[in-house]
Amino acid sequence: AQKITQTQPGMFVQEKEAVTLDCTYDTSDPSYGLFWYKQPSSGEMIFLIYQGSYDQQNATEGRYSLNFQKARKSANLVISASQLGDSAMYFCAMREGLTTDSWGKFQFGAGTQVVVTP
Amino acid sequence: ETGVTQSPTHLIKTRGQQVTLRCSSQSGHNTVSWYQQALGQGPQFIFQYYREEENGRGNFPPRFSGLQFPNYSSELNVNALELDDSALYLCASSLLGQGAENTIYFGEGSWLTVV
Repeated sequence: AQKITQTQPGMFVQEKEAVTLDCTYDTSDPSYGLFWYKQPSSGEMIFLIYQGSYDQQNATEGRYSLNFQKARKSANLVISASQLGDSAMYFCAMREGLTTDSWGKFQFGAGTQVVVTP
Repeated sequence: ETGVTQSPTHLIKTRGQQVTLRCSSQSGHNTVSWYQQALGQGPQFIFQYYREEENGRGNFPPRFSGLQFPNYSSELNVNALELDDSALYLCASSLLGQGAENTIYFGEGSWLTVV
């Protein structure tokens, strides 16, 4: 069963506008972490933001914020004031548990392609 | 820059051949994991190495194997290559136990084409 679902295959956004990327997840583990990554065409996965399952507040990192709704199992990424350099594929990922064998095991969604237009 | 480097960046192999991909982890990181990313999909977890031993594997057959060395470099080996093995292979390193917010840091990947 798919653990991470990203329903938007692609989005266009105008420069300086905000965009919200959807992510829903499925887990029965009470301890988990949610991550967003950006992948430009070069291939490298760039870490953007993290939200822990026990965190009370939504995470923010510069122009990135995470809208965490635990009961709905959603972790949407908001990019404010979009820039041309934000054009890339964006992936939502989850790590279940904090054991040694789960540490590097991330489950990724299918991604959302974002294109920022002038 | 994540400090994780991979080689080679691109390679082409013939079906049935074997391939070795290499990764140099970020300094001080004790965990390395490997991912396969097919075109248009998200990365899929292959396996993880911690203290030179495999301690987690995804849904990949035994012909996918790996090694982690004392200097935290690692290898991914794939035997009997199949056309479906064509993908971007990503290596990621991290420091296990540093904190729940500690993410894994990816290299730029190795693009493998099997013909």
